[in-house]
Amino acid sequence: KNQVEQSPQSLIILEGKNCTLQCNYTVSPFSNLRWYKQDTGRGPVSLTIMTFSENTKSNGRYTATLDADTKQSSLHITASQLSDSASYICVVSLSRGGTASKLTFGTGTRLQVTL
Amino acid sequence: DAGVIQSPRHEVTEMGQEVTLRCKPISGHNSLFWYRQTMMRGLELLIYFNNNVPIDDSGMPEDRFSAKMPNASFSTLKIQPSEPRDSAVYFCASTKYTLGAQVVETQYFGPGTRLLVL
Repeated sequence: KNQVEQSPQSLIILEGKNCTLQCNYTVSPFSNLRWYKQDTGRGPVSLTIMTFSENTKSNGRYTATLDADTKQSSLHITASQLSDSASYICVVSLSRGGTASKLTFGTGTRLQVTL
Repeated sequence: DAGVIQSPRHEVTEMGQEVTLRCKPISGHNSLFWYRQTMMRGLELLIYFNNNVPIDDSGMPEDRFSAKMPNASFSTLKIQPSEPRDSAVYFCASTKYTLGAQVVETQYFGPGTRLLVL
């Protein structure tokens, strides 16, 4: 069964600190991996998308890494801000031809940034 | 662009009643997705359409759920009859998919409909 596992489930950090979120997947055949940010009460918003040939992708203070051999990804947040408080969801896409990607979602890491 | 529009934003209904959720995708997008999110199971794909045609409905939980996309700018997800276990947030997402494109498409999510079935 295709699965996406994330850790930790939740995390509390002080404003200004860095943190790293982990994602392990068993989805096959793998097409691409995405990280989404979901604020409370809102829909997920895409942060990064990496294909199997990419091993890092940045979006401002967010940097995602991908190791397709070990099927692991991480999302590193630098100099955290209060507005980073949200759920971060790892999403893996199956390879499929002819139509848009079918996504498998992790259950997310709930991040809280405090003063 | 207004983004993906969903209505209603909140719905409270009694068990056995029919519920209809609505979605307007981003103009120009040709793929539309319905997802359900719960605390226990996270986000799950229910069904998706490409060019108004249902491509994969393997995530639809049972016959009580049905989805339609009569045109490129409108889709509905219907639950009849509704049950308490259907309580969840239902998201609609859209994207523009181009066969053979080098860039992986981004899915844009709506704000969701929070459904509570009593």
